[in-house]
Amino acid sequence: EADIYQTPRYLVIGTGKKITLECSQTMGHDKMYWYQQDPGMELHLIHYSYGVNSTEKGDLSSESTVSRIRTEHFPLTLESARPSHTSQYLCASSEGTNNGYTFGSGTRLTVV
Amino acid sequence: GQQLNQSPQSMFIQEGEDVSMNCTSSSIFNTWLWYKQDPGEGPVLLIALYKAGELTSNGRLTAQFGITRKDSFLNISASIPSDVGIYFCAGRRGNNYGQNFVFGPGTRLSVLP
Repeated sequence: EADIYQTPRYLVIGTGKKITLECSQTMGHDKMYWYQQDPGMELHLIHYSYGVNSTEKGDLSSESTVSRIRTEHFPLTLESARPSHTSQYLCASSEGTNNGYTFGSGTRLTVV
Repeated sequence: GQQLNQSPQSMFIQEGEDVSMNCTSSSIFNTWLWYKQDPGEGPVLLIALYKAGELTSNGRLTAQFGITRKDSFLNISASIPSDVGIYFCAGRRGNNYGQNFVFGPGTRLSVLP
């Protein structure tokens, strides 16, 4: 049973709109991550956080921003959505250094 | 840049066949993970490997941490239709190279009935 939750599951939105993708975990994990994945393709790390008030950009440049005000919550925001932002966004969390990541079910974003 | 390679990129097999796939790197890794992603879902951790030479099983799945520490293998025995999905390897090099895991590009498995 998943202990990391992403909402919405699917989102279709018009160009120029501001959107926030929600991610929450109930495991008390200190580390959280956002990945961008086109259908059936590779995972690209776009943001990560090692704890409250700590955020870093990932390997793939992204126009999105994140915040980590509470341990359990790691929302991702796009100020002005564009069709190039159409993708699946996966949130994950982990504890410690060598433990694997627990992924959410993802948000499938379509910008029209 | 990408540090892990997975082969094959995709494979089509008959139900009941055994499957082998691998993950390689030019660098030494201290930890290897294998994930499976079903269509439309997030990846799920299958097996974690922490020691060179380690062989670990999870049901019909068996994974090995290569002796050179530059590769890992995943085998699936007697495949069934629900094995369909993308299999990702992930590795972590060590504290001097950051705390995040690096993911491979995935092996896409299709099982024909």
